[in-house]
Amino acid sequence: GESVGLHLPTLSVQEGDNSIINCAYSNSASDYFIWYKQESGKGPQFIIDIRSNMDKRQGQRVTVLLNKTVKHLSLQIAATQPGDSAVYFCAENRGTGNQFYFGTGTSLTVIP
Amino acid sequence: NAGVTQTPKFRILKIGQSMTLQCTQDMNHNYMYWYRQDPGMGLKLIYYSVGAGITDKGEVPNGYNVSRSTTEDFPLRLELAAPSQTSVYFCASSYSDRNQPQHFGDGTRLSIL
Repeated sequence: GESVGLHLPTLSVQEGDNSIINCAYSNSASDYFIWYKQESGKGPQFIIDIRSNMDKRQGQRVTVLLNKTVKHLSLQIAATQPGDSAVYFCAENRGTGNQFYFGTGTSLTVIP
Repeated sequence: NAGVTQTPKFRILKIGQSMTLQCTQDMNHNYMYWYRQDPGMGLKLIYYSVGAGITDKGEVPNGYNVSRSTTEDFPLRLELAAPSQTSVYFCASSYSDRNQPQHFGDGTRLSIL
């Protein structure tokens, strides 16, 4: 079936290192993707998005890469800080309608 | 700027009771959404609305109802609470374009006992 999933449910990194969080999707019609950060007890917070006509997009300390050939999305966080500890979700719009489909999330823990 | 505000933050219901989860946004967004999030899972779309007077079902609409009488408010109604509806509920809104990020409230934690 179709799914939005993550390769690793948990990720631990040392403070100052770079983090990479991955997301796989299976619908080739998906044309818009979003990464969200969710801290404990809070709602998801927008980090960065990318449209399917792009391969890469950069923000402040974050980069999203989209590989449409293998249907893979990744979020790179540079110089990871303790405040980056949270659950990260990818979400996709599958090309029609207004519905977004969310992955199960990766829990990132930053070790001081 | 308050963004998306959800009330209540916590609630415990007995099986068979009903309640309304409130959601309001002050960003003049036309699109609004209701999601549920179960432990260790991603968000599942319950209902959404593209404007006042217009609502549509998402992935998991059974057991819920919504209305959208104003741009600002999008309440979610549980008529006969069941244990399977124990979850965290998030409301979100976005501009009138499906390729726009959603702004989320901080959720309502609901337990059905």
